[in-house]
Amino acid sequence: QVQLQQSGAELAKPGSSVKISCKASGYTFTSYDISWIKQTTGQGLEYIGYINTGSGGTYYNEKFKGKATLTVDKSSSTAFMQLSSLTPEDTAVYYCARGPFDYWGQGVMVTVSS
Amino acid sequence: DIQMTQSPSLLSASVGDRVTINCKASQNINKYLNWYQQKLGEAPKLLIYNTNNLQTGIPSRFSGSGSGTDYTLTISSLQPEDFGTYFCFQHNSWPGTFGGGTKLELK
Repeated sequence: QVQLQQSGAELAKPGSSVKISCKASGYTFTSYDISWIKQTTGQGLEYIGYINTGSGGTYYNEKFKGKATLTVDKSSSTAFMQLSSLTPEDTAVYYCARGPFDYWGQGVMVTVSS
Repeated sequence: DIQMTQSPSLLSASVGDRVTINCKASQNINKYLNWYQQKLGEAPKLLIYNTNNLQTGIPSRFSGSGSGTDYTLTISSLQPEDFGTYFCFQHNSWPGTFGGGTKLELK
């Protein structure tokens, strides 16, 4: 069965970076893009962008350019998102989702606090 | 970006009720509209894709309809496991955007 297993919760200091992972199984990894979504109580769900898992090509929501960097390791069927220059506004749950948004990871809670 | 206005934001209903949730897009999204259910602490689960296609494994009491800018999710007879929050998502235009959510609670 299709599964997207995300890494564990992160506690980070303002100004630092975190890199979260999304390991796919149960399907051919390079057949689908991986998208990333941010969820907060205040802003709801926001689409960060996606990576073409075959070519590594990336597409970012303008709002998240410079904040998020998407990469992929085909050998391990894992997608990554690095969030940089963290501020308290980056505190959120971050999800990865398979291309058609049909399967989602369990989410990663990122907390930014000094 | 396309704005997705979802209504109502809160819906109180009883088991067995028929309920409808609406999403209105700020422009035509050509039926590229998905519906998701989310329970507390869990990832969203896809219910309906491209307006009216039932995702595999989703009960037939869920249905979707709409066109242009107006879309509806209907649950024909609420079951206890249906309570939670529902979101719409348009993927016609970049970037995809989500509705604000409808919390469906037990009356």
